Amino acid sequence: GAVVSQHPSRVICKSGTSVKIECRSLDFQATTMFWYRQFPKQSLMLMATSNEGSKATYEQGVEKDKFLINHASLTLSTLTVTSAHPEDSSFYICSAGYSSYEQYFGPGTRLTVT
Amino acid sequence: QKEVEQNSGPLSVPEGAIASLNCTYSDRGSQSFFWYRQYSGKSPELIMSIYSNGDKEDGRFTAQLNKASQYVSLLIRDSQPSDSATYLCAVRSPGGYQKVTFGTGTKLQVIP
Repeated sequence: GAVVSQHPSRVICKSGTSVKIECRSLDFQATTMFWYRQFPKQSLMLMATSNEGSKATYEQGVEKDKFLINHASLTLSTLTVTSAHPEDSSFYICSAGYSSYEQYFGPGTRLTVT
Repeated sequence: QKEVEQNSGPLSVPEGAIASLNCTYSDRGSQSFFWYRQYSGKSPELIMSIYSNGDKEDGRFTAQLNKASQYVSLLIRDSQPSDSATYLCAVRSPGGYQKVTFGTGTKLQVIP
């Protein structure tokens, strides 16, 4: 149980384009999902908390107009990186809240912006 | 002071030895504590959760929690080369539903 999928696993896009990443909880309903970013050899950085049916809560310093988050159902949250630039290249990981305490991570999406 | 602190390592142990990973946290009201394992280039995997003082064992892993001293540790017995990874300590913020704060992780190297 507690399986989280992410799609795509890897994406290369051109500077100025937008990229959508999907995060799905496969065998449970997740009222809360989280989006993280991780640069090479650095720790996880929480970008935003996504609650089903409401606006996402963004961490300080994260541009909400650049990183659009939609949590339309109890099993799906999406992150759209708009007008991507090379500095947005990173490993994006979602997690889903399971029960009241635990988070399970998706496999991550490696974004490269050229 | 960082909210969740870990020694970045690397911590090197020989195969078959016990690896001891430590974590301290600043918020005395924290209630839930987690250990994640992250292999290079992969996402974190939950390996242990602990909520009350004392020890919790699961196979070769033992999590230890001491709320009075504000530390949580992870022991890995009979360490294997496949245990080589970065171990992340995570602490759930009081009042923050499911939101956790991660430490920067300790890199463990198990030497064959």
